[in-house]
Amino acid sequence: QQPVQSPQAVILREGEDAVINCSSSKALYSVHWYRQKHGEAPVFLMILLKGGEQKGHDKISASFNEKKQQSSLYLTASQLSYSGTYFCGTERDPSGGGADGLTFGKGTHLIIQP
Amino acid sequence: NAGVTQTPKFRVLKTGQSMTLLCAQDMNHEYMYWYRQDPGMGLRLIHYSVGEGTTAKGEVPDGYNVSRLKKQNFLLGLESAAPSQTSVYFCASSLMVSGNTIYFGEGSWLTVV
Repeated sequence: QQPVQSPQAVILREGEDAVINCSSSKALYSVHWYRQKHGEAPVFLMILLKGGEQKGHDKISASFNEKKQQSSLYLTASQLSYSGTYFCGTERDPSGGGADGLTFGKGTHLIIQP
Repeated sequence: NAGVTQTPKFRVLKTGQSMTLLCAQDMNHEYMYWYRQDPGMGLRLIHYSVGEGTTAKGEVPDGYNVSRLKKQNFLLGLESAAPSQTSVYFCASSLMVSGNTIYFGEGSWLTVV
């Protein structure tokens, strides 16, 4: 079952912050975040594993709440280069019946204006 | 570093024609995947493979077949193309499933007329 991402779209001014959420109804092993620019392949941002992680690099960070099966991606002081579509991909717990790749949400379109 | 390479990048097919998309990875990854991406739908898994000689169905497998005869290659076949198969196809690979980074190829744009 596809994870649910929110919001569907965000328009920001350069320097503003954004939060993108991803929630699943299934028990998750990991959450992956990707950014995709138009006409290009998805680019990996980070993985969060079950156990409740929080990761970050530069001004992009993410958290994973295992109890709620939710992950959030935080973009602070956004830059023009952050524009694109952000996808979360969820991986279900392999102990629940096998591993079968990532299931992606429908994406969040992020537009950064100067 | 080639990473994940897909061929062809662009193709136009007539309804009923067949074709094969080739994916090659040079990272010695065990797992390989084929996704399709349609506007507003995100990426949907077509088929995947957990090792040489193995394949499994994903979320949207109908109308596609796959083969993994060599560890580094994963082929996606369309036996009788339909307009509904117009999409962007992404191949991906990972060292193992469960918590490993999945690397994507650059995509193949397929139009069926």
